[in-house]
Amino acid sequence: DTGVSQDPRHKITKRGQNVTFRCDPISEHNRLYWYRQTLGQGPEFLTYFQNEAQLEKSRLLSDRFSAERPKGSFSTLEIQRTEQGDSAMYLCASSFDRASNYGYTFGSGTRLTVV
Amino acid sequence: DQQVKQNSPSLSVQEGRISILNCDYTNSMFDYFLWYKKYPAEGPTFLISISSIKDKNEDGRFTVFLNKSAKHLSLHIVPSQPGDSAVYFCAALNNNAGNMLTFGGGTRLMVKP
Repeated sequence: DTGVSQDPRHKITKRGQNVTFRCDPISEHNRLYWYRQTLGQGPEFLTYFQNEAQLEKSRLLSDRFSAERPKGSFSTLEIQRTEQGDSAMYLCASSFDRASNYGYTFGSGTRLTVV
Repeated sequence: DQQVKQNSPSLSVQEGRISILNCDYTNSMFDYFLWYKKYPAEGPTFLISISSIKDKNEDGRFTVFLNKSAKHLSLHIVPSQPGDSAVYFCAALNNNAGNMLTFGGGTRLMVKP
């Protein structure tokens, strides 16, 4: 296991298009998180899953954002009708239950540019 | 409402000297505080953490200090090395609030040879 994998690494899309990002967590981890990072800011929490259950989604930025983790393994984050303000780095992370003092393991992120 | 703040966007130190990165928080319910290091085009990497019941944790060249009364923590790196040049994020975790990490805005550390 090589850690948390995210695909694609970069995505350029036209405004109004839909995009989908994939995250493959560390296989032993049952929690999976999505964060967004904009330039000059720290990562901002979006949503998380415990196995296949999405336990927190109120922080998703709008109803254009949705995430799934259908079999409790990989996850997808979809943004519909993209806007220029969606341009950011989208980070995925995974952890065991109650990550406590070890925090999470992050992937390298998907950088989205909306033109 | 920014619950975790890093007020210094950048810090420059000479190789071999001490780097001190600071972080302030407002939520007294945080259980753990963590420091992450981030290189360009990579995700954040966990560096060191401290429980809210401790006041110091040390790991090699890295030491984190927590002052609960002041709601302040700091990361000390000594001696600083050029490879330490990166963006450092302070983060806080509340185990009773979904395990989500709340991050500060980051401090860019530059260690000059």
